[in-house]
Amino acid sequence: NAGVTQTPKFQVLKTGQSMTLQCAQDMNHEYMSWYRQDPGMGLRLIHYSVGAGITDQGEVPNGYNVSRSTTEDFPLRLLSAAPSQTSVYFCASMGGNSDRITDTQYFGPGTRLTVL
Amino acid sequence: DAKTTQPTSMDCAEGRAANLPCNHSTISGNEYVYWYRQIHSQGPQYIIHGLKNNETNEMASLIITEDRKSSTLILPHATLRDTAVYYCIVRPYRRNTPLVFGKGTRLSVIA
Repeated sequence: NAGVTQTPKFQVLKTGQSMTLQCAQDMNHEYMSWYRQDPGMGLRLIHYSVGAGITDQGEVPNGYNVSRSTTEDFPLRLLSAAPSQTSVYFCASMGGNSDRITDTQYFGPGTRLTVL
Repeated sequence: DAKTTQPTSMDCAEGRAANLPCNHSTISGNEYVYWYRQIHSQGPQYIIHGLKNNETNEMASLIITEDRKSSTLILPHATLRDTAVYYCIVRPYRRNTPLVFGKGTRLSVIA
């Protein structure tokens, strides 16, 4: 298993540009999420999904859109990038194919985004 | 808002036990305590979790006080590779519930 993969690893955008950060997992996890991490700070939840076709907002959803058309993929869209969105973005997934508590969240390597 | 309080930073000598405290005085009966760590700029890594009993795995031990208002993560023999930010997280016992991270404790293991 590749686990959780993210592309690209690095990206530089100009203010107002749009882009999509890709996230994929091959563990058949139903739960996926996006976090951002600003320098010296902890992770903040942007959006999450508990299954295909289901998404919900986290702590800091403004400026970001998500969709979940398949179990494997959970892309994060920036419609009009702003300098305040300069950050490291982490995608994560968590299992849930049984009734037991899902207790381990797996994180991708991150995408480092700079908005000029 | 994070439901936990952790020291901002700690040092530990290599080979010694690292004891990382966490206060979660408002924890509810159905909430677990989770620990994750983040090495340098990598994605966070799961370490251990528990409800009310002490837990141990190949990475660490988790000691939860009887009133469940605080806990301690113990790395029995810290190495330089354990230098990281350690996050203590309280999470409800419910499927697909998001993890909410605080600022964590930056542990520096010193040779």
